[in-house]
Amino acid sequence: DIQMTQSPTTLSAFVGDRVTITCRASQSMSNWLAWYQQKPGKAPKLLIYKASSLESGVPSRFSGSGSGTEFTLTISSLQPDDFATYYCQQYSTDSPWTFGQGTKVEIK
Amino acid sequence: QVQLQQWGAGLLKPSETLSLNCAVYGGSFSGYYWTWIRQPPEKGLEWIAEINHSGSTNYNPSLKSRVTISVDTSEKRFSLRMSSVTAADTAVYYCARVLLDRNAFDVWGQGTMVTVSS
Repeated sequence: DIQMTQSPTTLSAFVGDRVTITCRASQSMSNWLAWYQQKPGKAPKLLIYKASSLESGVPSRFSGSGSGTEFTLTISSLQPDDFATYYCQQYSTDSPWTFGQGTKVEIK
Repeated sequence: QVQLQQWGAGLLKPSETLSLNCAVYGGSFSGYYWTWIRQPPEKGLEWIAEINHSGSTNYNPSLKSRVTISVDTSEKRFSLRMSSVTAADTAVYYCARVLLDRNAFDVWGQGTMVTVSS
């Protein structure tokens, strides 16, 4: 299985800050990497797919990049609605779908 | 707009069988895979299984021996059964749609909290 490791586990930031979350894969993978936002008591929401493609309706302050074993989610200017937990997820034909352990973005 | 509505028993005793259903409203049932994902309290997400409209399935190897996913195309519904549950199976269970051209989960059910306790 491909294991996904996110860093940091928790991130404290101010409104307006640029925020970057990293997701590392246990082995080199294709660009089938997605990012989700989850708020307490709610289902995850798809933000980014195929490493860098923005899902319809998602604000352009969210962006994704990376390849191989390292991928990043960037929020260019953190907004009050962005305080949540973020998960990466990989797809590979050789592995079950797996998620990172999550990164909680908190208000500083 | 596609919506997923899920339901099932929320409280089970150890060794019982978990049974959940998920109905698809407002969109096509064919052309997608449909999946179950769970999230233990205060923990991350774990993929369980997926199925398409014709019944082709994939399972997480770590759960495969206890899990069955099935589909009722006429009702636009898919279901999950997990046998011999333990406290470790306590989690919020979500159904979701798999977008094959994005290899991501774009529509999610509301979640069902399943607690396993004696």
